[in-house]
Amino acid sequence: EAGVVQSPRYKIIEKKQPVAFWCNPISGHNTLYWYLQNLGQGPELLIRYENEEAVDDSQLPKDRFSAERLKGVDSTLKIQPAELGDSAVYLCASSLPPGTSGRGADTQYFGPGTRLTVL
Amino acid sequence: LAKTTQPISMDSYEGQEVNITCSHNNIATNDYITWYQQFPSQGPRFIIQGYKTKVTNEVASLFIPADRKSSTLSLPRVSLSDTAVYYCLVGYFDSARQLTFGSGTQLTVLP
Repeated sequence: EAGVVQSPRYKIIEKKQPVAFWCNPISGHNTLYWYLQNLGQGPELLIRYENEEAVDDSQLPKDRFSAERLKGVDSTLKIQPAELGDSAVYLCASSLPPGTSGRGADTQYFGPGTRLTVL
Repeated sequence: LAKTTQPISMDSYEGQEVNITCSHNNIATNDYITWYQQFPSQGPRFIIQGYKTKVTNEVASLFIPADRKSSTLSLPRVSLSDTAVYYCLVGYFDSARQLTFGSGTQLTVLP
């Protein structure tokens, strides 16, 4: 079974430029997460989708960040314009519908991430 | 959100058992305890999850005392490939209490 796919793996841009990241979750996983991870820190949740609905975007800086998951499958995270402080790894994760696994907190499967460098 | 506290780093030698303890004093009744492992340039990977007492799988054990205010991840006979960052998360799948990653514990296994 294919895992979570993210592209690109690396991106270098100049500040004030736009950038977009793409994520394709594991088939059948209707919950999708975008995280930001700074060096030496744990992942920080940006947004969580249940199908095509963003159910938690409280940590997404909406002045410059946007995300979409139009058909409830793959998703795109965009930054416009990028700032120097946006340099980080952007991780996408997916999980089964809440409660499906029988666990109290569903296992998240992470992609390899996109390393963004803003110059 | 339940806050977790873990040691920043730990060193061990190959073949030893490693125990990483996580403190979560304000854990809620419905919260589960989940541990993830992360290697450089990879996303975190699920290791184990538990609610109370002891859980064991093929890679680790999780010990949770009766008060559930802490938990201990136990890795038996570690190898060099177990060098990674280990995260303890506390939460439940409903949207009211999201899983939050802390800074994790950097485990370094020495030869």
